[in-house]
Amino acid sequence: DAGVTQSPTHLIKTRGQQVTLRCSPKSGHDTVSWYQQALGQGPQFIFQYYEEEERQRGNFPDRFSGHQFPNYSSELNVNALLLGDSALYLCASRHRRGFTDTQYFGPGTRLTVL
Amino acid sequence: TQLLEQSPQFLSIQEGENLTVYCNSSSVFSSLQWYRQEPGEGPVLLVTVVTGGEVKKLKRLTFQFGDARKDSSLHITAAQTGDTGLYLCAGPPPPGNTGKLIFGQGTTLQVKP
Repeated sequence: DAGVTQSPTHLIKTRGQQVTLRCSPKSGHDTVSWYQQALGQGPQFIFQYYEEEERQRGNFPDRFSGHQFPNYSSELNVNALLLGDSALYLCASRHRRGFTDTQYFGPGTRLTVL
Repeated sequence: TQLLEQSPQFLSIQEGENLTVYCNSSSVFSSLQWYRQEPGEGPVLLVTVVTGGEVKKLKRLTFQFGDARKDSSLHITAAQTGDTGLYLCAGPPPPGNTGKLIFGQGTTLQVKP
């Protein structure tokens, strides 16, 4: 049973560039959420997708956008990168009709903006 | 304002000692999750607690959910070096079951041999 997978594992970009991160949810899950985690902090919710639409959004600017595909995989896009966007980006999945809000996380993508 | 407050933020102990990590809120949560995270990796789910007063055990780890569902604790008995990591509590902001999780700031645990 494959867990949540993310790619790439590491990425280095320069300010002003754009980046795309990818996520495949755990088998049987239809909902994907993205989180940003700064060093030594808890993850911060960016947004959530199910049925190929953004359903909830955290306090992140429009430079952060996403997409969900029919196979439930998802992409996170960040435009006009800032130094402060350097972080570990985590994808988490669950089934929308799950009994609890338990989510399963991927290994993350470490983004460094220079 | 942090909805989930974890304490302590840092803990450094010797192997074999016991410890407790706390996760507190002024809000009622429908459930709380505990995760452990190692550097450069994603959080790994340890447990989900749902019922007020619930106690769950995972080997040397004991998790409690407060009767009022506003707080939770993680107790580790006879800590081992392999327990080293960042411990995170998380839960759905009220009213719950939205799929969004909010996290505490985390507790960094270092277990020395």
